[in-house]
Amino acid sequence: GENVEQHPSTLSVQEGDSAVIKCTYSDSASNYFPWYKQELGKGPQLIIDIRSNVGEKKDQRIAVTLNKTAKHFSLHITETQPEDSAVYFCAAKIVGGGADGLTFGKGTHLIIQP
Amino acid sequence: GAVVSQHPSRVICKSGTSVKIECRSLDFQATTMFWYRQFPKQSLMLMATSNEGSKATYEQGVEKDKFLINHASLTLSTLTVTSAHPEDSSFYICSARALAGAVEQYFGPGTRLTVT
Repeated sequence: GENVEQHPSTLSVQEGDSAVIKCTYSDSASNYFPWYKQELGKGPQLIIDIRSNVGEKKDQRIAVTLNKTAKHFSLHITETQPEDSAVYFCAAKIVGGGADGLTFGKGTHLIIQP
Repeated sequence: GAVVSQHPSRVICKSGTSVKIECRSLDFQATTMFWYRQFPKQSLMLMATSNEGSKATYEQGVEKDKFLINHASLTLSTLTVTSAHPEDSSFYICSARALAGAVEQYFGPGTRLTVT
């Protein structure tokens, strides 16, 4: 089955700086890669996703890049703000494949230092 | 749009009893709902996938007789933890996927289960 590795497990950045979280996946058939933000005691919230037919997607301060050859994708957050502090999860899925659920990475605890 | 609710948000039950968790899609119809389990400071692990009107598909290692899933309508799925034990204490999160081959999954706020 699919295996998703996520790094780093904890990331501390100064407010206003950029943060980058990286994930690798094992199954080359995976073609959908969402990122979720989870605040303490809450469910994950979809913040951005990318499909395998594009290499980059941007939404205001958030961007995701995908390298299909290397099987890795990254989340980029620019101009970080205190409210960006949370746990971020990457995930991978084969759309149209047999398995229907998402395979998650282990999460990155992002800490924005004021 | 795409709001998913869960009830209750927290529940404490005694060992040996059963507890039911509800997952509702509030503003869309969900052909498929997923149930995940999350231990403290860990990732989400898929437990089972349920499609409206049919039996749930359980992931390897998940006991179907212990975690009963019912997806009775396009807006409601329930997870019943039967004969709960302290090791079942966890954060249970559902997600829902809309009709028409949508890819995105929208997650509920989770239910914190504590078995004493």
